[in-house]
This record gives sequence, C-alpha cells and structure tokens, in this order.
Amino acid sequence: TQLLEQSPQFLSIQEGENLTVYCNSSSVFSSLQWYRQEPGEGPVLLVTVVTGGEVKKLKRLTFQFGDARKDSSLHITAAQPGDTGLYLCAGGGSAGGTSYGKLTFGQGTILTVHP
Amino acid sequence: GAGVSQSPSNKVTEKGKDVELRCDPISGHTALYWYRQSLGQGLEFLIYFQGNSAPDKSGLPSDRFSAERTGGSVSTLTIQRTQQEDSAVYLCASSLVTSGGKYEQYFGPGTRLTVT
Repeated sequence: TQLLEQSPQFLSIQEGENLTVYCNSSSVFSSLQWYRQEPGEGPVLLVTVVTGGEVKKLKRLTFQFGDARKDSSLHITAAQPGDTGLYLCAGGGSAGGTSYGKLTFGQGTILTVHP
Repeated sequence: GAGVSQSPSNKVTEKGKDVELRCDPISGHTALYWYRQSLGQGLEFLIYFQGNSAPDKSGLPSDRFSAERTGGSVSTLTIQRTQQEDSAVYLCASSLVTSGGKYEQYFGPGTRLTVT
C-alpha cells in the first residue's frame, strides 16, 4: 500500500511570509501532483511533476519532486490571503501495478493567510 | 470545454433512505473516480472505473455503497439505507489515464450529503 504523509496539517501565517508544505512517502511514484481546494469547490490541479529532481514554478509557488521520486515540496513565497485553502499532494502509481491509474492522496494542509 | 459536473449540489435525506448521486465526466476521459471528503479533511477513495475494465471497488466502506458507469460516461453512486456517518461531500473526478503515468484528475464541485 502506498502512503503519502503530508505536513504540516495546519498552517496559519501572516501575509508576506514564506511557507513550505512537505509530502513524503517510502514508495516511489511515477508522478506527483499538487491540488488546491477552496471551500465548497472540488480540488483544482496546480502542477504535475514526473521526473526526479524536477522543479516547477507557478508564479509565487515552487514545486519540487525528490530525486528518488518519493517526496515533494510546495514552497510559497510572500503568501497572500488568496492563497488560503486546502493543499493536497497526490502520487500516481506505476504502470502495471495494482494502483495503475489511481492517485494516492496526502491528508492535506489547511493554509490560512491573514491580511 | 465543459468540466466535470455533479448533481445534486446538495442533498438532505432522512436516515434509512436511499440516495443517488450523479457525475458527468469530461468528454473523452476514460477514467472516473469517486471520493468522499469529511469537513476540512483529505480525500477518501471509494471506487475507480477505467475503460471497460472491472471497477476497482476497494474503497467502498460497506455493501450499502455501489456505483455504476453507463456507456463509459455518466456514473451514479448509490447509497442505500443511509446512516448519519454517511454525511460528507462526495467528489467525482475524471482523467485521461495514459502510459506516461500522469493520471491528472479533474474534479467536479461535489455533492454535499447530509443525513438527518
């Protein structure tokens, strides 16, 4: 069974601060995705990383996939109140495995950015 | 193009009643997933349909839960004899599963189920 441990579970910060959310596993994933969910809506895909060591930037958000494809991080620079939401990481299984086509989700990080 | 749609958006039902939740996936997506989410929590996998393969039902919490996908498109999640612990948001997602292993899932807005 593939598991993803996400930390921290809760994060409350002031506008302008930086933060990092971590997603760790003992399993290797073929891909790693980050989603953001706002209240009353479904999760929205932010980014997919597939190569070990890959770094992707989306404005103030930086996503990194670990070299061994077992972990990932999301770093937000100069957080804004609009960044508030639930952040979820999700790992994709390997082709041919029992988890092919499925995602394993982390427990989520609830981020609150205060003005 | 249109995203994933779900109906109803909210459903209030009495304990013991049956409910049906509907999901319309993105056209052309071969995979469809159902998840359950309690307030502020992560996603609990329920069931996964991929093409013509037998569905992966490993996440269904009890035999009161069932789902079907007709014609490879629309899916219905049925909960029989609802219990108060079934109250949650039920999310549907669809994906174009590829051998590249991205499995990018696109979610609907969810159905909020309240069992009284």
